[in-house]
Amino acid sequence: DVKVTQSSRYLVKRTGEKVFLECVQDMDHENMFWYRQDPGLGLRLIYFSYDVKMKEKGDIPEGYSVSREKKERFSLILESASTNQTSMYLCASSFLYDYGYTFGSGTRLTVV
Amino acid sequence: LAKTTQPISMDSYEGQEVNITCSHNNIATNDYITWYQQFPSQGPRFIIQGYKTKVTNEVASLFIPADRKSSTLSLPRVSLSDTAVYYCLVGDRDSGAGSYQLTFGKGTKLSVIP
Repeated sequence: DVKVTQSSRYLVKRTGEKVFLECVQDMDHENMFWYRQDPGLGLRLIYFSYDVKMKEKGDIPEGYSVSREKKERFSLILESASTNQTSMYLCASSFLYDYGYTFGSGTRLTVV
Repeated sequence: LAKTTQPISMDSYEGQEVNITCSHNNIATNDYITWYQQFPSQGPRFIIQGYKTKVTNEVASLFIPADRKSSTLSLPRVSLSDTAVYYCLVGDRDSGAGSYQLTFGKGTKLSVIP
């Protein structure tokens, strides 16, 4: 069964910490995405990548960075975690010219 | 990307057919219509995609009128397990690489009642 795997289901970090969220897909997809989802705000795109070492800003990139060193792995980095980054983070992937995304189960991050 | 408008919530009894309509008045010639389903505490799941007329798969049907300014997702004989949020999205199929990102709205929360 093809899938997108996010490294942690739940994560608790302290304010100011550097946080890494990892996402791995096994479908040989070119596109990978990071979204965050908050009650009342829906899903918002943080960053996406359509090739190794390529990255594009989404709607809310401030406070985040990403890394894509290998095709199957896309990492989201919170350089200095803040409480307003407490959220559900969702990773997704798709083929290059395809809107049929496969999402991971999400990482619920709490910053205290 | 064309903006979409859909109802915030809907209720339905088990066994009924549910139709969720999405408005996309500014849809462009090359845009495709895509629907996702999201259960609580899970990531969204792709349901169906179409360009015009009717598309059907094992989960749902998608009806798109000739002017393409709206689309209707039809779920036959819903059960309690169909309770979820349903998102309608529009995207340009002929965009270049790096353009296939989707902007999700707030979706339609469907509640199926026993």
